[in-house]
Amino acid sequence: QKEVEQNSGPLSVPEGAIASLNCTYSDRGSQSFFWYRQYSGKSPELIMFIYSNGDKEDGRFTAQLNKASQYVSLLIRDSQPSDSATYLCAVTRNSGNTPLVFGKGTRLSVIA
Amino acid sequence: ETGVTQTPRHLVMGMTNKKSLKCEQHLGHNAMYWYKQSAKKPLELMFVYSLEERVENNSVPSRFSPECPNSSHLFLHLHTLQPEDSALYLCASSHFHEGRGQYFGPGTRLTVT
Repeated sequence: QKEVEQNSGPLSVPEGAIASLNCTYSDRGSQSFFWYRQYSGKSPELIMFIYSNGDKEDGRFTAQLNKASQYVSLLIRDSQPSDSATYLCAVTRNSGNTPLVFGKGTRLSVIA
Repeated sequence: ETGVTQTPRHLVMGMTNKKSLKCEQHLGHNAMYWYKQSAKKPLELMFVYSLEERVENNSVPSRFSPECPNSSHLFLHLHTLQPEDSALYLCASSHFHEGRGQYFGPGTRLTVT
């Protein structure tokens, strides 16, 4: 069974610090990797995707992928209280009838 | 706004009622999805439609009946629901094989009394 594992948290970081969110996946055939942010009572919002090994930066967000270790992470620099949310990791094979497989999410709390 | 709209945003219904949830996407996608999200639980995929054909049905009870009349519209027909069906119902759309991620609508908060 394909699984995506995340620490449920909460992960608490002080304002201005780097928040590091981690995700591991079981399906070695996975090709695309996504991070979603979900505020309480709201729907998930796509914030980053990554396909290749290495780092991908977008503003304060950096996604890191290591396919050999089946590990993907999200770094949030200069964390703000508005970053407090649940972050969902999702992966897909990109082929056939294989929609996204979501993790349970990590709750991040940025303390002012 | 993600380009995916859902109506109604909130719905309270009795166990004997029949209601429908509507989803519309304006992104030119060819796949649409229904998810259920209960309190403190992960997203549960319910149905997947690709090019208006249902390609996945994750053992969802028959009291939930999806309909996809075209690539822009998706419905979830509800009848004789149970209180445990109370949840946030999310619609999403994507390009099915291109792996660019799914875009979610705002959801319908459903309460079954």
